[in-house]
Amino acid sequence: EPEVTQTPSHQVTQMGQEVILRCVPISNHLYFYWYRQILGQKVEFLVSFYNNEISEKSEIFDDQFSVERPDGSNFTLKIRSTKLEDSAMYFCASSDIPMASRSTDTQYFGPGTRLTVL
Amino acid sequence: QKEVEQDPGPLSVPEGAIVSLNCTYSNSAFQYFMWYRQYSRKGPELLMYTYSSGNKEDGRFTAQVDKSSKYISLFIRDSQPSDSATYLCATRGYSGGGADGLTFGKGTHLIIQP
Repeated sequence: EPEVTQTPSHQVTQMGQEVILRCVPISNHLYFYWYRQILGQKVEFLVSFYNNEISEKSEIFDDQFSVERPDGSNFTLKIRSTKLEDSAMYFCASSDIPMASRSTDTQYFGPGTRLTVL
Repeated sequence: QKEVEQDPGPLSVPEGAIVSLNCTYSNSAFQYFMWYRQYSRKGPELLMYTYSSGNKEDGRFTAQVDKSSKYISLFIRDSQPSDSATYLCATRGYSGGGADGLTFGKGTHLIIQP
């Protein structure tokens, strides 16, 4: 069964450093998402991406964050200057073309990257 | 305001029991409702997806949505120790663009005792 994959599984970085988290969405999906989950808290939406541009972003997704689809398979999240509070699990998700009342637009999540900022 | 409320538990029940998990939401614009299961330090795994009010059954799982009261439920029949996990409810609206982010509840930690 196709699945979303993410690398690395764990990233440790120093405060102020740049990190890039990588995702390979399900191959026929067209919508891509990033979420984060701070330990013990809710899964929070960061950004969605379609047709090579951002579709929607949350208040969390400020100028420190950027997303890119550098090639036909990868989808990346870059954090320019990491802060301690960026420590969290980051989940990538993907979905197919949405249609009202059908489940084809359900979002499938990857296993996550644990980001630890020291 | 986009908000989904869910009792974090833990909820502990004996094996074989029927489990009832619930969420409430405040935004009437939400139209799609999902239940995800999350094992410790893993990604959310989609269990059920429903649109509008009503019931949907899949094996031992039944999802129920009551849009009039903004109430979402997941029932698990014949619960197994392998069902022990955190169950997240999630919702979203439909902007027509298809890229709406999901709004999650905090999750209910379920423990099935053998």
